[in-house]
Amino acid sequence: EVQLVESGGGLVQPGGSLRLSCAASGFTFSSYWMSWVRQAPGKGLEWVANIKQDGSEKYYVDSVKGRFTISRDNAKNSLYLQMNSLRAEDTALYYCARVGVTGTTWDYWGQGTLVTVSS
Amino acid sequence: DIQMTQSPSSLSASVGDRIIITCRASQSISSSLNWYQQKPGKAPNLLIYAASSLQSGVPLRFSGSGSGTDFTLTISSLQPEDFATYYCQQSYSVPGTFGQGTKVEIK
Repeated sequence: EVQLVESGGGLVQPGGSLRLSCAASGFTFSSYWMSWVRQAPGKGLEWVANIKQDGSEKYYVDSVKGRFTISRDNAKNSLYLQMNSLRAEDTALYYCARVGVTGTTWDYWGQGTLVTVSS
Repeated sequence: DIQMTQSPSSLSASVGDRIIITCRASQSISSSLNWYQQKPGKAPNLLIYAASSLQSGVPLRFSGSGSGTDFTLTISSLQPEDFATYYCQQSYSVPGTFGQGTKVEIK
């Protein structure tokens, strides 16, 4: 059974940093692109970042470029999101999601970890 | 970025009703359109990909159609477990933008 379990969320002050983790199991992690997708409280979904199977390609939504870094450790079946210079508008539930084999969908999602940016 | 607009934003329906949700893209996206269902407190769940292909395990009462800029999600006979929020998402170009969501509520 595919499982994605996020951790690392919490309350952080504006300008602060946080590192999210996603532990993957039930599939060959190194064979899939992975993503972070976020959802502000009561709002819709927003893709944040993608990373290729070997970590050689990374893509970001414009609003987080230069502040967030996606990475992965295939030996540990883990995905990460380093978030720096956090802003109030980054407050959201952050989901780890697997990109499906077609490369165009997210076919499995974790339950999310909540990041709150507030003073 | 490609903008995705769903309508309606919410609807009330009864069990057994047929409902249609529409999604319009700000430019042609061919058939690169996916639909997700999200229940309260849960992660999104992929229903339809490539505009009309049913994801494995998804009931046959769900169907999708369209191409270019206009797409629809149809639930042929609404069941109690279908009350949720539905999102369309374009996979034609990065970023893979979502619609604002359509909340389906019980009448």
